[in-house]
Amino acid sequence: DGGITQSPKYLFRKEGQNVTLSCEQNLNHDAMYWYRQDPGQGLRLIYYSQIVNDFQKGDIAEGYSVSREKKESFPLTVTSAQKNPTAFYLCASSEGGNEQFFGPGTRLTVL
Amino acid sequence: GESVGLHLPTLSVQEGDNSIINCAYSNSASDYFIWYKQESGKGPQFIIDIRSNMDKRQGQRVTVLLNKTVKHLSLQIAATQPGDSAVYFCAENPDELGGNQFYFGTGTSLTVIP
Repeated sequence: DGGITQSPKYLFRKEGQNVTLSCEQNLNHDAMYWYRQDPGQGLRLIYYSQIVNDFQKGDIAEGYSVSREKKESFPLTVTSAQKNPTAFYLCASSEGGNEQFFGPGTRLTVL
Repeated sequence: GESVGLHLPTLSVQEGDNSIINCAYSNSASDYFIWYKQESGKGPQFIIDIRSNMDKRQGQRVTVLLNKTVKHLSLQIAATQPGDSAVYFCAENPDELGGNQFYFGTGTSLTVIP
């Protein structure tokens, strides 16, 4: 089945730790995205990549980093510089000017 | 960034009734709109989309209406079922040929009462 997967589903981080969230798609989409979702708020764009080896900052990139070494993979690292990382993180992919397909999400909690 | 707003944060309907969820958008240049459904703890699912050259588009039990004059988008769900209970987001794409960026509303929580 074609789709987009994220792992882990739940992630716990201690203060000062970096953690990496995985996002993989087998839809052969060029574009991939990372969003953060907080209660009562719309999705906010962290980073996006339109093609392999290229990515751009979104609206809330501070404290996050990404890489796009392979077309199917777009991992997100939440660094210790992100002061309020507890949130639901969503990865998406798209092709052309069409809809974005979302993964199931990763819920990150800082202990 | 763009502002995409929903008129009502919550909506409760009786099973079998029709539901209408509204959305206002601010960028008159936006030419592509999507409705997503998000169940608790899951990623958003595509429901239906519409491009600016259309006023109405129908899917299975769902209809999207676009009023470009007042920059308003609505989602109509016919014969609402308990499985329709979820948060519904609208999203706008101001440039479908470039950036591929969407702006999302805060969502309307739909509760279907059996």
